[in-house]
Amino acid sequence: RKEVEQDPGPFNVPEGATVAFNCTYSNSASQSFFWYRQDCRKEPKLLMSVYSSGNEDGRFTAQLNRASQYISLLIRDSKLSDSATYLCVVILHTGFQKLVFGTGTRLLVSP
Amino acid sequence: DTAVSQTPKYLVTQMGNDKSIKCEQNLGHDTMYWYKQDSKKFLKIMFSYNNKELIINETVPNRFSPKSPDKAHLNLHINSLELGDSAVYFCASSQDVPGRALSGANVLTFGAGSRLTVL
Repeated sequence: RKEVEQDPGPFNVPEGATVAFNCTYSNSASQSFFWYRQDCRKEPKLLMSVYSSGNEDGRFTAQLNRASQYISLLIRDSKLSDSATYLCVVILHTGFQKLVFGTGTRLLVSP
Repeated sequence: DTAVSQTPKYLVTQMGNDKSIKCEQNLGHDTMYWYKQDSKKFLKIMFSYNNKELIINETVPNRFSPKSPDKAHLNLHINSLELGDSAVYFCASSQDVPGRALSGANVLTFGAGSRLTVL
């Protein structure tokens, strides 16, 4: 089983739609969680951290479910510019941090 | 000023050659990384250095040798290149605090990537 798993997609949605991605992780000792965004042929960039109580940043909402070991990302009112690959990142803090990336979920927003 | 810069951006070479990719960060971070992203877009950690000391060494062939002359630089040298080495190699840095999870401290900043093609 992979350490961090995501549905690769692609998720094809029209502009204005709401879309949600899930990410599951296998190591219950994981302590920090993030969503990164990667545009085609670009480097990954931090989208948002994921806090235990859930957090929101504009149209983006992140949730963490430690019991079931998954995190989610909800995007409301999708824009064309949201088209990208969304990478789930899980951090193990064993001495030094080890970041493990999911395989990414591709989102395509169409007009 | 680019925060994490890596060179070259593109590298095309023949099998069996030796090549290097350089990385520099001006963020004052203590930890630097090399990640490999293959054709399936899976981003996998290869190495991590903290203050010039190797702290993470995943299962990577001995042909890959990282070198950190100081905490702002982490270079990657690859010997006897193989077809399977073709990928995008990303350098990254973070302000890691050993043994502690600090909000915001462990955010990775990536370089733009170096696309290696082995023919």
